[in-house]
Amino acid sequence: DTAVSQTPKYLVTQMGNDKSIKCEQNLGHDTMYWYKQDSKKFLKIMFSYNNKELIINETVPNRFSPKSPDKAHLNLHINSLELGDSAVYFCASSPRTGWQEKLFFGSGTQLSVL
Amino acid sequence: SQQGEEDPQALSIQEGENATMNCSYKTSINNLQWYRQNSGRGLVHLILIRSNEREKHSGRLRVTLDTSKKSSSLLITASRAADTASYFCATVQGAQKLVFGQGTRLTINP
Repeated sequence: DTAVSQTPKYLVTQMGNDKSIKCEQNLGHDTMYWYKQDSKKFLKIMFSYNNKELIINETVPNRFSPKSPDKAHLNLHINSLELGDSAVYFCASSPRTGWQEKLFFGSGTQLSVL
Repeated sequence: SQQGEEDPQALSIQEGENATMNCSYKTSINNLQWYRQNSGRGLVHLILIRSNEREKHSGRLRVTLDTSKKSSSLLITASRAADTASYFCATVQGAQKLVFGQGTRLTINP
């Protein structure tokens, strides 16, 4: 199936731990994104990569580090997890960077920090 | 900062009725997009309307755009139970950043 897939779907962990979320798209898109959705459903962009190059880096704690080994993959590593990091994290992709592009989303990773 | 704001935050109607959701935004736009999110799933793109368009249709969806009022509306006609979802508008900030509102949670009652 052509899609944006992210793993794991659920992640439950203790405060202070380090965790990673993986994302892969087989749509041939150049641009990938990480979004964070909080408990009130507010969706906020965190990072964007175009062909492995970082192009958007919002005001995100440096405990969050994205890595794009190739244009089909964008992983998110989080160090020293805090309670406030609990949220649903969505990976997305678009054919190119630009205002006319629509986004294709993965099904999300629900992160719970205890 | 949040660009689009949907109204109402929640809407509950009977199956077969029409559902209207509104979106207001602050800055000038090139286009505005609507997305749907089913519970526990990612967002799915529904429709894109460009700033020089006033109305666009896709199946049972009708989107309008009023750039003078900086607002858009999404109308779903003849609603079905499967339309139960959250609906988000999104606009572009700067050259590359798609910014979403908090969404309207739509419930269709059988």
